[in-house]
Amino acid sequence: DAGVTQSPTHLIKTRGQQVTLRCSPKSGHDTVSWYQQALGQGPQFIFQYYEEEERQRGNFPDRFSGHQFPNYSSELNVNALLLGDSALYLCASNLRGREGYTFGSGTRLTVV
Amino acid sequence: GNSVTQMEGPVTLSEEAFLTINCTYTATGYPSLFWYVQYPGEGLQLLLKATKADDKGSNKGFEATYRKETTSFHLEKGSVQVSDSAVYFCALFYGGSQGNLIFGKGTKLSVKP
Repeated sequence: DAGVTQSPTHLIKTRGQQVTLRCSPKSGHDTVSWYQQALGQGPQFIFQYYEEEERQRGNFPDRFSGHQFPNYSSELNVNALLLGDSALYLCASNLRGREGYTFGSGTRLTVV
Repeated sequence: GNSVTQMEGPVTLSEEAFLTINCTYTATGYPSLFWYVQYPGEGLQLLLKATKADDKGSNKGFEATYRKETTSFHLEKGSVQVSDSAVYFCALFYGGSQGNLIFGKGTKLSVKP
């Protein structure tokens, strides 16, 4: 049973560019959450998707947006990249309202 | 608001030493509490959890007890191994169907042979 799959694993972008990160949830899960983990910090909640809609959002600017598809997979888009957006981006899936989160291995984004 | 505070690291121990990593939380209501572990270059793995007061979570020799009176969930292990070297995150889950995980900043543990 595949867990959470994220792609790509590593990415280097230039300031001002846009990036799209992808996540396939664990089989049987219907909710996807995205987290940003800066170096040496704990994961910070970006937003959560369920039934193809953003249900909750953390304290992140509108440059961060997302999407969920009918097969529950999700994308995270970041526009106008800043150096400070460099981080590990983690995707987690769960069954709506349940505590059993499964995390992917993350996408390491470096903005230069 | 809801938050998690855990002891600053890094923590360096010799093999077979006793480990404690402190974690306290602030939450409205009664959250579930978790410890996650992150090995170098990897994502997060659930280590243990407790869903109500006085519950004890345990796994791989690690233990933590949900203490409502002190709003704490300290992680302990009686005898650490080199392979336990990792970053440990305390987290809480609140909000039911609207819930999400809130993490502490993490504590890096290094175990020397």
